Amino acid sequence: KQEVTQIPAALSVPEGENLVLNCSFTDSAIYNLQWFRQDPGKGLTSLLLIQSSQREQTSGRLNASLDKSSGRSTLYIAASQPGDSATYLCAVRPHTGFQKLVFGTGTRLLVSP
Amino acid sequence: GAVVSQHPSWVICKSGTSVKIECRSLDFQATTMFWYRQFPKQSLMLMATSNEGSKATYEQGVEKDKFLINHASLTLSTLTVTSAHPEDSSFYICSARVLTGEETQYFGPGTRLLVL
Repeated sequence: KQEVTQIPAALSVPEGENLVLNCSFTDSAIYNLQWFRQDPGKGLTSLLLIQSSQREQTSGRLNASLDKSSGRSTLYIAASQPGDSATYLCAVRPHTGFQKLVFGTGTRLLVSP
Repeated sequence: GAVVSQHPSWVICKSGTSVKIECRSLDFQATTMFWYRQFPKQSLMLMATSNEGSKATYEQGVEKDKFLINHASLTLSTLTVTSAHPEDSSFYICSARVLTGEETQYFGPGTRLLVL
């Protein structure tokens, strides 16, 4: 059974810092991996999607990497801003149960001015 | 990107009543919709997968008679929580699958349910 874990569970940084969020998964047989942002009481916004054949994806100040063989992904946020404060979720789509995303436990990020 | 809406955004009801939550794909057709439940400070847990015109597939431990799912059209799926109890209080999120080369899911804004 695929399990997805994120560390740290919570992170508080001052504005301007570069930071890394970690995601690990137990079964490396994945179709793709996706990073989401969730604001309090809101739904999910997709940030980056990495196919199993890819190593990384970039969007603005965000960079996500994928090391499928070791079961790890990282989300790098450059020059963090207070508006980046949210919960970040990673999710993997296994090859089996093709449609089902398996979500991680989330990292709650607080960027203080 | 594609837009998924949910209605209502929040609902408070008495124990024993039934609550219906709607999920709509506004600018695309969704052959598959997913219903998730999220408890405070926890991650999303998939409840069921529904395909248009067929019965929903429920995850292990989810009572199909309590959480009724209807996916009657390519743009609308509904989740009805029957005889709701306080332990059903949660944040319910739907998601619609877009068939593109990247297998993308778009998520609704969620519905907060509080059962008194």
